[in-house]
Amino acid sequence: GESVGLHLPTLSVQEGDNSIINCAYSNSASDYFIWYKQESGKGPQFIIDIRSNMDKRQGQRVTVLLNKTVKHLSLQIAATQPGDSAVYFCAEGGTGNEKLTFGTGTRLTIIP
Amino acid sequence: DAGITQSPRHKVTETGTPVTLRCHQTENHRYMYWYRQDPGHGLRLIHYSYGVKDTDKGEVSDGYSVSRSKTEDFLLTLESATSSQTSVYFCAISAGYGYTFGSGTRLTVV
Repeated sequence: GESVGLHLPTLSVQEGDNSIINCAYSNSASDYFIWYKQESGKGPQFIIDIRSNMDKRQGQRVTVLLNKTVKHLSLQIAATQPGDSAVYFCAEGGTGNEKLTFGTGTRLTIIP
Repeated sequence: DAGITQSPRHKVTETGTPVTLRCHQTENHRYMYWYRQDPGHGLRLIHYSYGVKDTDKGEVSDGYSVSRSKTEDFLLTLESATSSQTSVYFCAISAGYGYTFGSGTRLTVV
């Protein structure tokens, strides 16, 4: 979920298990949401996105859920692998996608 | 990342000196962005551009300026570097679905 301090929230999951990462977004007018993955020393990478007219979207091993009522976004990763260890960010934006606002991230560690 | 290059990748500079970071894209995207990333703050927008010579400020623009004289290049200048500008800087382009980020520039101001 979101971090308000100097330390990222962390989540440790056993390899092969499913993981859920949560994000509370701030702007009720946002209608576009994205999850990014950032590995150490690299830039963030797009994972999956969802528009506000949807509640759920699935990709390969990932699912994003959107609850607009409580302004909550989650990322589910199925059958986690060591390569899933990274920091995951949510981002929110408007229709034009000109400016995104990013959360502070959650560090996911996969335990072999 | 494909189509977007940042330079330099690493730089150490002294307090008070000007520093310019470069972002180059090969995909002719209109929107380009500069973010800084610091522990506990995530990615914060410094400046962005919506076309050649069209730029605007983000949430942490003080002490930074930008220029975009060509579609493919977006320059970020620290006019007089301070230790608080030690950070990792990311450039991004708006690629139709979210952003595509460069690999980042790690800047240390001593």
